[in-house]
Amino acid sequence: GAVVSQHPSWVICKSGTSVKIECRSLDFQATTMFWYRQFPKQSLMLMATSNEGSKATYEQGVEKDKFLINHASLTLSTLTVTSAHPEDSSFYICSYNRLAETQETQYFGPGTRLLVL
Amino acid sequence: GENVEQHPSTLSVQEGDSAVIKCTYSDSASNYFPWYKQELGKGPQLIIDIRSNVGEKKDQRIAVTLNKTAKHFSLHITETQPEDSAVYFCAATGSDKIIFGKGTRLHILP
Repeated sequence: GAVVSQHPSWVICKSGTSVKIECRSLDFQATTMFWYRQFPKQSLMLMATSNEGSKATYEQGVEKDKFLINHASLTLSTLTVTSAHPEDSSFYICSYNRLAETQETQYFGPGTRLLVL
Repeated sequence: GENVEQHPSTLSVQEGDSAVIKCTYSDSASNYFPWYKQELGKGPQLIIDIRSNVGEKKDQRIAVTLNKTAKHFSLHITETQPEDSAVYFCAATGSDKIIFGKGTRLHILP
């Protein structure tokens, strides 16, 4: 099956700093991928849809200047949390869409746990 | 807007018994229904899915049923084992997005 990796798996940073999270698809190329945020004991909340070579589409309520997404290649997308604050502490998960049979299927990365002090 | 309701939020079953998690969706255009298992501190993993042209699908101890008329779909786990303890999410593709249920925390009791 598809393999998606994320780096780092966890990060602790001081308030006001920026953190970059990488998401890679390891065995296929994808034009579209997604970034989710998950707070403790809650469901995945879509933050943005990233298209290779074009600007990301952000969900309502997600600040595009705070959560910078770069999808520079078909196998790599990055999410940068700028000027992080404690309320940004969360579990960030990326996923890629891959066409399986006649339907696109989402494959998730292992997630990155961010703790902002 | 599009919505996916998932029940129960927490489920405890004795090891060896069956577990059933139910979801309903609102978008009649939904045609793909995956189920994900998320273990503590890890990303969700696809465990089974079902397309709208199928009423039931089984993979070893896991089965999913779909009732498109009632907009219901369910996950069935038989002969539960300790490693089945996790959070399970249902999802439905509504329009161009995937909508997740809120999750069910499954506890397998020894």
